[in-house]
Formats: sequence, C-alpha cells, structure tokens
Amino acid sequence: GENVEQHPSTLSVQEGDSAVIKCTYSDSASNYFPWYKQELGKRPQLIIDIRSNVGEKKDQRIAVTLNKTAKHFSLHITETQPEDSAVYFCAASRAGGTSYGKLTFGQGTILTVHP
Amino acid sequence: NAGVMQNPRHLVRRRGQEARLRCSPMKGHSHVYWYRQLPEEGLKFMVYLQKENIIDESGMPKERFSAEFPKEGPSILRIQQVVRGDSAAYFCASSGDGNEQFFGPGTRLTVL
Repeated sequence: GENVEQHPSTLSVQEGDSAVIKCTYSDSASNYFPWYKQELGKRPQLIIDIRSNVGEKKDQRIAVTLNKTAKHFSLHITETQPEDSAVYFCAASRAGGTSYGKLTFGQGTILTVHP
Repeated sequence: NAGVMQNPRHLVRRRGQEARLRCSPMKGHSHVYWYRQLPEEGLKFMVYLQKENIIDESGMPKERFSAEFPKEGPSILRIQQVVRGDSAAYFCASSGDGNEQFFGPGTRLTVL
C-alpha cells in the first residue's frame, strides 16, 4: 500500500519568514495530493491540493510543488503569520479502483510562527 | 450549505461498552470516509463507504468495528466492547467526486 513520509516533524520560524514542508510517497499510481491544516482540537481543513498532471499550484501565500519522477511534493508558505501556527498534514490518494479517494496521511508537521 | 456533521462531539464509555459514532455528509456528497487519529499522531484511514455499500474497509480492525451508510440517515461507525486503546478522535470526511474530502469536527472517544 501507499506510504507517505513527511519532514520535518516540527518547524519554528519568525513571522514573515517562509516555511517549507516536504513529503514523499511510495505508490506511483497516486495522483491526488492534498494538504490539510489542523489547529488544536479542530478538524483538518483542506488548504490546497495538486493533481499529478500539474507541477505547481499557488493560492496567495501558499504554494505546492509536485515532482512525480521523484515521488515528492512540498508545501511552501511565504510571509508567515502567527495564525499559520498549526499542524500541517500532507496526504496522497489514487483515483479509480476500489480504493478511490482513500487518503494516506503523512505524520504531520507542527509549525510555530513566532511574532 | 451545512458542512460535514458528526455527533456526539465527545463520548465517554467504560471498557466493554459499545460506542456509536454518527456522520452526516455534506449535502450532495455520496462518499464517506472514516479516519482515526490517536493523540499527537496523524490520521489513519479506516473505511470508505458509499450509500448502502462498503467500498474499502482495509483500515478497519476485523473484530469489534463495523460501519454502515444506509440509504436514509447518517453513516455510523460502531465499536463493540471498547478497550482503552480505542480512545482517539474519530473523523469522518465526505466527498462528492472521490477527490476533495471535507472533514467533520470529529468525535473524541474516551474509554475509562
């Protein structure tokens, strides 16, 4: 089955700096890669996603890049703000077949943005 | 458009009791997924259902756990004879097309 590795497990940055979180996946058939933000005691919230036919996607201060050859994708947050502090999870899934849409998550990254 | 609803939000059970967790997907969504999150860990897939069908239950323990998504009403995750190791947050997510998944607020199960 799919295995997703996420690094780093914790990340501390100063307000205004950039933050980068990296994930690798094992199943070459995976074709959908979402990122979720989870605040303490809250639900995971989808912040951005990318599909395997696209190499990069940007939404304001957040961007995601995908390298299918290396089976690697990354989340980039620019101009970080204290409210970006949360746990971030990457995930991978494969469309089609009996496991359609099932998400395999990385272990999470605790991001702390210091004012 | 209401989001994914889960109830109860908090559930306390003694060892050996049954726990029933409910999930109402977003309007128009026909795919429901259940995930378990242990304290300070990531989310682990349990089961994927569509109306009246279990599509993939590869992540759900074979004993004591069951799930259903009837034609009418919410999806239910049922845990029989709970043990302390079942204490976790259980999230359901729904999807309209099998890709973007939107999560409910979760049910935090505590087994005493």
